[in-house]
Amino acid sequence: AQSVTQLGSHVSVSEGALVLLRCNYSSSVPPYLFWYVQYPNQGLQLLLKYTTGATLVKGINGFEAEFKKSETSFHLTKPSAHMSDAAEYFCAVSDQQAGTALIFGKGTTLSVSS
Amino acid sequence: GAVVSQHPSWVICKSGTSVKIECRSLDFQATTMFWYRQFPKQSLMLMATSNEGSKATYEQGVEKDKFLINHASLTLSTLTVTSAHPEDSSFYICSARTGGRGYGYTFGSGTRLTVV
Repeated sequence: AQSVTQLGSHVSVSEGALVLLRCNYSSSVPPYLFWYVQYPNQGLQLLLKYTTGATLVKGINGFEAEFKKSETSFHLTKPSAHMSDAAEYFCAVSDQQAGTALIFGKGTTLSVSS
Repeated sequence: GAVVSQHPSWVICKSGTSVKIECRSLDFQATTMFWYRQFPKQSLMLMATSNEGSKATYEQGVEKDKFLINHASLTLSTLTVTSAHPEDSSFYICSARTGGRGYGYTFGSGTRLTVV
């Protein structure tokens, strides 16, 4: 079975500071990993994903994540936070089999202060 | 890109009534659709997986007689909350897996259900 652990249910940063949201996964097969953002009362927006190939993945809005198999991690980073980055962030995992659902972590609320 | 249209975006219903939520894949065929439930300030919990033309597979703890899922065509999956109660109030989101080079998952915009 696959699972995702997001360390830190709430992260607070100042505008312009580094954003680091942590995600560790558990999977018995090579995983596909995703980061999504959700604004209040809205659906999910894909930030980035890792399937195969380059382990450093660049996404939208300046976010990036690095797949580290040895650490079973897929942490999300952004060099400089903007106020508009305040939202809920979810890490998710699936496998390569057709018909497999995404399994989500519990989420991390990012707050950005001026 | 692949788009899933989910309707309604919000619904208020009286306790004891049933509510149907639709998810349509607009520009691709969704062989498999996933249904999630999200309580306020919580994560998305997988409720069930629906496959076109066959019975849905429900996750442990999800009442299949309360949450009826139908996937009659490759472009439409529906979730019906039967005999709704206030504790069924939640945000329901559907998702379909997209393949090929654009591999990933596309999500509906969600349905906010409030049972009064």
